[in-house]
Amino acid sequence: QQQVKQSPQSLIVQKGGISIINCAYENTAFDYFPWYQQFPGKGPALLIAIRPDVSEKKEGRFTISFNKSAKQFSLHIMDSQPGDSATYFCAAYSRGVYNFNKFYFGSGTKLNVKP
Amino acid sequence: GAGVSQTPSNKVTEKGKYVELRCDPISGHTALYWYRQSLGQGPEFLIYFQGTGAADDSGLPNDRFFAVRPEGSVSTLKIQRTERGDSAVYLCASSLAGTGVGGELFFGEGSRLTVL
Repeated sequence: QQQVKQSPQSLIVQKGGISIINCAYENTAFDYFPWYQQFPGKGPALLIAIRPDVSEKKEGRFTISFNKSAKQFSLHIMDSQPGDSATYFCAAYSRGVYNFNKFYFGSGTKLNVKP
Repeated sequence: GAGVSQTPSNKVTEKGKYVELRCDPISGHTALYWYRQSLGQGPEFLIYFQGTGAADDSGLPNDRFFAVRPEGSVSTLKIQRTERGDSAVYLCASSLAGTGVGGELFFGEGSRLTVL
């Protein structure tokens, strides 16, 4: 059973545009939602993360929007740049429940920002 | 080292052979995770260590897979009687966070395993 569902699978955006990637989860025990960025041949690296007590978190051009009631969260990349071209993974984690003391990852979105 | 180190970076083996993959986490990180990433997929949880003990090994696909962390630092993922379906990138990650605490995962660059 996939704990975190991510869409779209791939995304093409023009330079300067907004990239939007969506994720949904079922388990309400999750209480930490990071986004990871992965370049080819590299391991994923933390980009930005949010806890469910806030609805939005912004760091530079990257924003997470969180909808607790809908159990959905999304990553927005403003003013997308060719250097943002990578695969993005959402993830979910629970701090307090032993069986969920691990990060569950979405299936990834391959972003291509065209110059 | 400054980051999580994994060796080998690439491993090609024949079906039925035994393989060991090594992970050297960031110094001081008590939590260590192994994930498997198939082509075009997100990382899939295999096992989590808190210190020397495997706190959660529920992601290991079968008894051909085993991992150890004898001194609470370096970890080795061991795969017996490899099968073609084991081909994937095996990612190791470490974290300052321990049981019950969320935190950033620091990933290594992975070990790409190809079983012929």
